[in-house]
Amino acid sequence: ETAVFQTPNYHVTQVGNEVSFNCKQTLGHDTMYWYKQDSKKLLKIMFSYNNKQLIVNETVPRRFSPQSSDKAHLNLRIKSVEPEDSAVYLCASSSRDWGHQDTQYFGPGTRLLVL
Amino acid sequence: GDSVTQTEGLVTVTEGLPVMLNCTYQTAYSDVAFFWYVQYLNEAPKLLLRSSTDNKRTEHQGFHATLHKSSSSFHLQKSSVQLSDSALYYCALDTNAYKVIFGKGTHLHVLP
Repeated sequence: ETAVFQTPNYHVTQVGNEVSFNCKQTLGHDTMYWYKQDSKKLLKIMFSYNNKQLIVNETVPRRFSPQSSDKAHLNLRIKSVEPEDSAVYLCASSSRDWGHQDTQYFGPGTRLLVL
Repeated sequence: GDSVTQTEGLVTVTEGLPVMLNCTYQTAYSDVAFFWYVQYLNEAPKLLLRSSTDNKRTEHQGFHATLHKSSSSFHLQKSSVQLSDSALYYCALDTNAYKVIFGKGTHLHVLP
């Protein structure tokens, strides 16, 4: 049963364009994440948001920016895409408090192809 | 820095035989949790099992793993694999600092 929703499923664009991906979770979790899964299936965390506050901002290029309107939504904007941005972008959510780690629930992903 | 190492990129096993997928880690944190996630083809990763207790075996769907802090390991095992177990398996470390570190993943390919 899907509880983390991502749109679009697939996006094709050209170098230099701006793209936005949406993510919504209905689990009531307070932490959301964006991951990049490359062609070799390496899974790397990009951003982590807890109650709309950015907690972790890994060393991603500045053209990437997360946007959150509330704790159930976390979008990702890429200002000017480059070929190396082609990947699957996975959104996830979890419930956590300090001193307690919980399972991450992943969305189906958005596959980006940059031509 | 914190890291998770999965030494095998691909493991091929015949159906009915046992399998072990290796996972070792390095971390400076003491309050950590470990996860195995499984990703089937064209699906999202999902939790297989998790642990934060040293030397305690955890099991799910026929798979089991035991966290051994003395050897910094959290290997995944199954005594008899099935064709449906073919998937990509990730070992992950949660440092409780809103940061989750994934290993490179191990493809498990089960042969009939």
